[in-house]
Amino acid sequence: NAGVTQTPKFQVLKTGQSMTLQCAQDMNHEYMSWYRQDPGMGLRLIHYSVGAGITDQGEVPNGYNVSRSTTEDFPLRLLSAAPSQTSVYFCASSYYSGGAYEQFFGPGTRLTVL
Amino acid sequence: KNEVEQSPQNLTAQEGEFITINCSYSVGISALHWLQQHPGGGIVSLFMLSSGKKKHGRLIATINIQEKHSSLHITASHPRDSAVYICAVLGIGSARQLTFGSGTQLTVLP
Repeated sequence: NAGVTQTPKFQVLKTGQSMTLQCAQDMNHEYMSWYRQDPGMGLRLIHYSVGAGITDQGEVPNGYNVSRSTTEDFPLRLLSAAPSQTSVYFCASSYYSGGAYEQFFGPGTRLTVL
Repeated sequence: KNEVEQSPQNLTAQEGEFITINCSYSVGISALHWLQQHPGGGIVSLFMLSSGKKKHGRLIATINIQEKHSSLHITASHPRDSAVYICAVLGIGSARQLTFGSGTQLTVLP
């Protein structure tokens, strides 16, 4: 299994540009999520999905859209990039084990918005 | 006040030292994760625990549900243990959504 994969690894955007961060998992996990990581702060949840066709907002959803058309893929779209969205983005998937959810993280995408 | 607090924020140790990183949380949880993040790297789950103690190699994680506290111990530390260690909790009722601490930067010197 490849686990959780993310593309691209690095991206530089200009303010106002749009782009999609890709996330895929091959473990048939129902639950997937997107986080952003900023210096001095813990990871924060942007959006999550409990299964194909079902998505919901997390703690910091503004400026981002998601969709979940298949179990495998969970892309994150930046509609109009802003410098405040400069961050490292992690995608994760999870499955239920031993009374809680085991978490698997992708390698991250480092995004810079100029 | 953050729901998950870690201490210390930064820790420098000499190779071979015993290391403890602490995590306190203020909400009821179904489980707690300890994660490891190497510089420029992804995040790896080290432990998931809801009670008691778990051990994997030189790493030991403990949790006290009544005191809402967990510790991560590293015995015989090594420079390759240098990383950021992150505590994250799964809340009761929102069991799939993690709340993260801000991390502990560990540097182990040779």
